[in-house]
Amino acid sequence: NAGVTQTPKFRVLKTGQSMTLLCAQDMNHEYMYWYRQDPGMGLRLIHYSVGEGTTAKGEVPDGYNVSRLKKQNFLLGLESAAPSQTSVYFCASSFTRELPLYEQYFGPGTRLTVT
Amino acid sequence: EDKVVQSPLSLVVHEGDTVTLNCSYEVTNFRSLLWYKQEKKAPTFLFMLTSSGIEKKSGRLSSILDKKELFSILNITATQTGDSAVYLCAVEAYQGETSGSRLTFGEGTQLTVNP
Repeated sequence: NAGVTQTPKFRVLKTGQSMTLLCAQDMNHEYMYWYRQDPGMGLRLIHYSVGEGTTAKGEVPDGYNVSRLKKQNFLLGLESAAPSQTSVYFCASSFTRELPLYEQYFGPGTRLTVT
Repeated sequence: EDKVVQSPLSLVVHEGDTVTLNCSYEVTNFRSLLWYKQEKKAPTFLFMLTSSGIEKKSGRLSSILDKKELFSILNITATQTGDSAVYLCAVEAYQGETSGSRLTFGEGTQLTVNP
C-alpha cells in the first residue's frame, strides 16, 4: 500500500514548455486534490475532483488543467509554463463524500522550477 | 470568498515552553476544521474538529473549536525540538452537490523550539 505517490519529484522547465504531473493513490479514495505551496502563502487549492470523470476549480486554477479518467489517478497539466508557476505541488486524496470530509492524505510533493 | 487566518506567523520558544497557535476563519457552509503539521515534506494530519467546545487531545497536543466566534486554537505543552515545524490550519466548506467539499488553508505558523 503505497498511499499517495507523485511523479516526478523534481522538474525544471523553460518558459512556454508544457508538462503533466501525475498523482496516483491506491486507497480507493473518491476525492483527489492538487495544491501549490509557495513561501508565506500556505497551501492553495488549484483543482480537485470528487470522483472519476469529475473535476472542479479551486482558488488558483488559471494556467492549469486536470483530468481524472481513472479513479486512482489525477493529472495536473501545465500547457505553457510561466515563472509564476514555480512552486511545490502537492497532491492529496481523501476517502469519503460523507459529512464531514475525512482527513486528507498527502503525496510527497513535486518541486517545479520554471526559468 | 473563504478565508483562514493564522497567528502568529512565526514563533520561537525554548524547550519546555507551552505555546498556543490561533486560527480564525470566515467560510460559507462550514463542515470541519483541521490541523496539520508540516516538516520538510508533506503535511501530516493532527486533528479534525467539527463541534464547538469539545477538546481533541493527542499526547502534548490539544485543540478546541469555537464555532460561534469562528476560531480554533492548537496548544502544545512541554515543547520539544521535534515540535519545530509549520502548523497549518484548514477549514472544510461545502461547495454544493456537484462540487462537494474542499479545504481552504491558512498561511501556517512556523514554530521553532530551541534546546
